[in-house]
Amino acid sequence: QQQVKQSPQSLIVQKGGISIINCAYENTAFDYFPWYQQFPGKGPALLIAIRPDVSEKKEGRFTISFNKSAKQFSLHIMDSQPGDSATYFCAASMSDYKLSFGAGTTVTVRA
Amino acid sequence: GAVVSQHPSRVICKSGTSVKIECRSLDFQATTMFWYRQFPKQSLMLMATSNEGSKATYEQGVEKDKFLINHASLTLSTLTVTSAHPEDSSFYICSARAGGTGRRLGYTFGSGTRLTVV
Repeated sequence: QQQVKQSPQSLIVQKGGISIINCAYENTAFDYFPWYQQFPGKGPALLIAIRPDVSEKKEGRFTISFNKSAKQFSLHIMDSQPGDSATYFCAASMSDYKLSFGAGTTVTVRA
Repeated sequence: GAVVSQHPSRVICKSGTSVKIECRSLDFQATTMFWYRQFPKQSLMLMATSNEGSKATYEQGVEKDKFLINHASLTLSTLTVTSAHPEDSSFYICSARAGGTGRRLGYTFGSGTRLTVV
């Protein structure tokens, strides 16, 4: 069973809009929560990551919000651009061990 | 930043033959490497974890005799798909994690290998 649940499966956003992807987990031992961006035919690339001791992390147009008590974290893509069209995966791991991936969200940014 | 090179990017082989995929960490030493399989429009499925100098740990349901993993050095891990069949056709991706103490470097992924068995 998937240890990290991700939603929505897909979303369409207009250029300049905000894309929001949500993930939830059950294992409270997870201590590393990365987001990956994957283009067709390529491997995933790390976008941004957060640890449970902070509630928010921002890097450019990408922000992770983390709610430890609710065991949820989300990715916000501000000012979405056509080049952001890709599949996004949330993931979680504990103590540098193997990553558990969400099911993925396909984001389409319409110009 | 950390770079992982995966080769080949695409390979087509005949049913019954074996295929080797290489994963190299170019600018760091990877004590642990991970091998994933990804079907179209699906998430990454972890196949096995390999540590340098020791046997790989396979996930439940993954045939270790079919998917041979060797992690002979701190910069190279290989996945060999033995006696490949059409159902083995998939996108295979490796990932490497740096070793040592201190600040964690996270996981770096290769660019993937598209295997087609005909």
